[in-house]
Amino acid sequence: GENVEQHPSTLSVQEGDSAVIKCTYSDSASNYFPWYKQELGKRPQLIIDIRSNVGEKKDQRIAVTLNKTAKHFSLHITETQPEDSAVYFCAAIEGLTGTASKLTFGTGTRLQVTL
Amino acid sequence: NAGVTQTPKFQVLKTGQSMTLQCAQDMNHNSMYWYRQDPGMGLRLIYYSASEGTTDKGEVPNGYNVSRLNKREFSLRLESAAPSQTSVYFCASSGRETQYFGPGTRLLVL
Repeated sequence: GENVEQHPSTLSVQEGDSAVIKCTYSDSASNYFPWYKQELGKRPQLIIDIRSNVGEKKDQRIAVTLNKTAKHFSLHITETQPEDSAVYFCAAIEGLTGTASKLTFGTGTRLQVTL
Repeated sequence: NAGVTQTPKFQVLKTGQSMTLQCAQDMNHNSMYWYRQDPGMGLRLIYYSASEGTTDKGEVPNGYNVSRLNKREFSLRLESAAPSQTSVYFCASSGRETQYFGPGTRLLVL
């Protein structure tokens, strides 16, 4: 099955700096890569996703890049703000069973934005 | 439109007790999922249901059973709870690739 590795496990940046979180995956057939943000005690919420037919996707201060050849994808957050502090999870789709998307998640990155 | 809802929010069980975690979605999604989240281990898939009437095992199914009651509801049952099942349980649903999560159930097994 799919295996997703995520680094770093913790990341501390100063407000206004950029943050980068990296993930690698093992299954070359994977074609969908979402990123979730989870605040303390809350549910994971989708913040951005990318499909394998594009190399980069942006949404305001958040961007995701995908390198299919190297089988890695990254989350970039620019101009970080205190409200960006959370745990971020990457995931890769293991496959579609009918309409079900089997996702494999990374182990998470705790991002802390300091003033 | 409540999205994905879960009950209860918090539960304490003694070893050997049983309980059922409830999940419902109002997004008309075909697929539903149960995950557990443990510190440092991300989200691990317990069971999923691709469509009404079907269920399949995920990565960590041992000790759990599920029921897809109808298109809206997907329940997770612990027949004989063990301390190793202390975790936060999340239900999710999807229409295609994108999964939407419920608020979670925090379970403590003593």
